[in-house]
Amino acid sequence: KAGVTQTPRYLIKTRGQQVTLSCSPISGHRSVSWYQQTPGQGLQFLFEYFSETQRNKGNFPGRFSGRQFSNSRSEMNVSTLELGDSALYLCASSLEGPASTDTQYFGPGTRLTVL
Amino acid sequence: GNSVTQMEGPVTLSEEAFLTINCTYTATGYPSLFWYVQYPGEGLQLLLKATKADDKGSNKGFEATYRKETTSFHLEKGSVQVSDSAVYFCALSDPTNAGKSTFGDGTTLTVKP
Repeated sequence: KAGVTQTPRYLIKTRGQQVTLSCSPISGHRSVSWYQQTPGQGLQFLFEYFSETQRNKGNFPGRFSGRQFSNSRSEMNVSTLELGDSALYLCASSLEGPASTDTQYFGPGTRLTVL
Repeated sequence: GNSVTQMEGPVTLSEEAFLTINCTYTATGYPSLFWYVQYPGEGLQLLLKATKADDKGSNKGFEATYRKETTSFHLEKGSVQVSDSAVYFCALSDPTNAGKSTFGDGTTLTVKP
């Protein structure tokens, strides 16, 4: 079956702009998690959605938000972009969520560059 | 809070050498433990996992044993190949903290022919 897909793969924005990233989970998976990966901070958890509800949130400012649709597809939005938001944004899906013994399946990521 | 500490890299080995990447964790509950691998330009892929103490996860010649007494989940492989060159992440999921996984900083492995 198809894996996790993320669009777009690459994005270049300027400071102050906003951006929306999209993630389509594996069919049947209800949990979608978002992570930010940077060379300096490693992999940081942003938030997790399950059945359209945000279940958990990491330590990121309110400029980072997300949502999940009834078909489990998820979007994350970053407003008022800062240079430090440049990162690889990874999405992962699983059946029940990362707190269970489920395996998380990761997408290839969206590489965001803020100029 | 939960945390995962990985052996610092980068690690450079010759082909057929023995690999160990150390991973220790701190968690309030009884976490599941994972090793993920990330190849250049790609997302993370699950390599192996263990869901309870003394479980051994294994895949593609890699092994790791869930040691509760030492809170460790070290990754080992007896004979590495050039194709094993990648970044390896140790991670945990804690059932008492629904929806959140914690990852180590990653260890870059380079295998030379």
